[in-house]
Amino acid sequence: SYVLTQPPSVSVAPGQTARITCGGSNIGSISVHWYQQKPGQAPVLVVYDDSDRPSGIPERFSGAKSGNTASLTISRVEAGDEADYYCQVWDNTSEHVVFGGGTKLTVL
Amino acid sequence: EVQLVESGGGLVQPGGSLRLSCAASGFTFSSHSMNWVRQAPGKGPEWVSYIHGSLGVIYYADSVKGRFTISRDNAKNSLYLQMNSLRAEDTAVYYCARDQRSGNLDYWGRGTPVTVSS
Repeated sequence: SYVLTQPPSVSVAPGQTARITCGGSNIGSISVHWYQQKPGQAPVLVVYDDSDRPSGIPERFSGAKSGNTASLTISRVEAGDEADYYCQVWDNTSEHVVFGGGTKLTVL
Repeated sequence: EVQLVESGGGLVQPGGSLRLSCAASGFTFSSHSMNWVRQAPGKGPEWVSYIHGSLGVIYYADSVKGRFTISRDNAKNSLYLQMNSLRAEDTAVYYCARDQRSGNLDYWGRGTPVTVSS
């Protein structure tokens, strides 16, 4: 089955830039989506189709892909950005939705 | 405003059954595929099942195939998950989530908790 690999944790100081990566085989050829989840809440879509933002999501959130790695970048990090972040794809081979293991973003 | 409201969760013994429901509003329900996603305590989201808006296409995660059944009633704007032969490892918060065409889940409900324990 398809596997998405994320670092367990990323730490950043307020005002700095956080980058969260998501690795997967041939990820360059499929759409990658990113979710933010705060404790006790449902996940929220923050980036879809690699780099598009849903309405209401700040421009500070951006997505990109290079080779076999997708990334979510959060500029000018705020305390309120502290959350778990998950990447997700649709695997056409298995016909499954696949989530990465998640990255806990800590704002120092 | 898009709203998804899950219900039907609770405490059930191993081997038991539960039927979850998700009431949708604020959008044309039949035009969207829907998913069930679960999240065990302290773990990340795990996809459970997908159903197309109107074509009858259904997919299941390997961990629930043969035990869970997804269905929908477009006339009632409702999504369902029939869960049979429940196991301790099925304990999780179950979310319904709307699917967009590229496979992203753009709206989620607040979830309904399911606990499988004797």
